[in-house]
Amino acid sequence: AQSVTQLDSQVPVFEEAPVELRCNYSSSVSVYLFWYVQYPNQGLQLLLKYLSGSTLVESINGFEAEFNKSQTSFHLRKPSVHISDTAEYFCAADDKIIFGKGTRLHILP
Amino acid sequence: GAVVSQHPSWVICKSGTSVKIECRSLDFQATTMFWYRQFPKQSLMLMATSNEGSKATYEQGVEKDKFLINHASLTLSTLTVTSAHPEDSSFYICSAPVGGTADTQYFGPGTRLTVL
Repeated sequence: AQSVTQLDSQVPVFEEAPVELRCNYSSSVSVYLFWYVQYPNQGLQLLLKYLSGSTLVESINGFEAEFNKSQTSFHLRKPSVHISDTAEYFCAADDKIIFGKGTRLHILP
Repeated sequence: GAVVSQHPSWVICKSGTSVKIECRSLDFQATTMFWYRQFPKQSLMLMATSNEGSKATYEQGVEKDKFLINHASLTLSTLTVTSAHPEDSSFYICSAPVGGTADTQYFGPGTRLTVL
C-alpha cells in the first residue's frame, strides 16, 4: 500500500529565507505525487503535481518540487518565503490521494 | 476552475441520530469521489472511494455500516453518518478528480460535524 511520510510537523523559517519541506513516499508502481496547501481557515488547494515527464515541477507562486525516484522523495522548496506562505502543506501520493500528516510552515518576521 | 461543494458546511446533532453530508461537483461530472476525515491538527484520512453506480470502496478500519456512501449521480455523492456519537465529531471533506483519477483533485470546503 502507498504511504507518505512528512518528517517535519512544523518548520519555522525567517521571511525571505529559503525553505524545504520534506516528503517521502513508498511505492513500487507508478507514482503520482502532489503537494496541497491549506491556508488558515480555508480548504485544500493543489499547489503542484507530478504525474510524468520532467521531474521538476513548479507552482505559480514560486514553489517547486523535484521527483527523485532513487530516493523516493518529492521535497517542496522555495528560495525565498513570504508571510503569506504561512499554511499547512500536505504531500500526497497515488490516484486515491494518500496524504502525509502535513507540515506547518511558520514564517518568522 | 472546477468547483466542488458540500452541504451542510457545519452541523450539530444529538448522539444517536444520523447525519447526511452532500458532495456535489458543480461544473463537471465525477464518476469517482473521495471522502476524507480530518481530525484537529492532523492530516486527512481517506475513508472511502465513492463510485457512481456501484458500491463504495472503504479503506481498512472504516465501518461500512457506520459511514454509508451513496453515489447517486455523476455530480452527487452523499455520506451518511449513522447513529452518530461524539467520537464521530470531525471535519469531513470530499474531493473529485476532473478527468482521470490521477488528475487534479478538487476539494470541497468541508463539513464540520459536532455530535453532542
